Amino acid sequence: AQTVTQSQPEMSVQEAETVTLSCTYDTSESDYYLFWYKQPPSRQMILVIRQEAYKQQNATENRFSVNFQKAAKSFSLKISDSQLGDAAMYFCAYRSASGTYKYIFGTGTRLKVLA
Amino acid sequence: DSGVTQTPKHLITATGQRVTLRCSPRSGDLSVYWYQQSLDQGLQFLIQYYNGEERAKGNILERFSAQQFPDLHSELNLSSLELGDSALYFCASSVAGGRIVSYNEQFFGPGTRLTVL
Repeated sequence: AQTVTQSQPEMSVQEAETVTLSCTYDTSESDYYLFWYKQPPSRQMILVIRQEAYKQQNATENRFSVNFQKAAKSFSLKISDSQLGDAAMYFCAYRSASGTYKYIFGTGTRLKVLA
Repeated sequence: DSGVTQTPKHLITATGQRVTLRCSPRSGDLSVYWYQQSLDQGLQFLIQYYNGEERAKGNILERFSAQQFPDLHSELNLSSLELGDSALYFCASSVAGGRIVSYNEQFFGPGTRLTVL
């Protein structure tokens, strides 16, 4: 069975600085998708960025980028120029490309942004 | 706004009771997923429906059941409620349940917060 691990329960970053959130996963599949979701205090789940496992190029969305290391099964999220609005819980999620299409979520990292 | 609606937003009930949570997927989405998020935890997948049929089952208790109706809205029924069932219940929808759309991105509703006293 697939698992997703986020080993950092909480992280802090100074406004305008860069922070990296870690995520590792375990799977025997070769084709899958990885996601980072943001959950602000409103509790709404917001997709931040996605990565297809067969693509070597790391995904980027404005200030958000990932470092995808398939062999190491690592999928970290880098937030550049951190803003107060980035403060939230961040969840890493895995989805198989076949079979069931459920998401498997990590336990989350709470990001605090310091003014 | 993701286009997925969930009602009610909040629900407070007592142990032993039964409740129904409702989800309306985005227009055009055929697949509905239910997740449970307990306090300070990640989301746990409960069940998936695709075009009215159960597609996948996760860690869903026997006391819980779900269905998807012909108009594609879905309901999650929770019975014999226990204190530990208190959680945020999310519904998500996607266009398909397979590889028709490469990402099959799930769009999440705002959640229903269930409190069991």
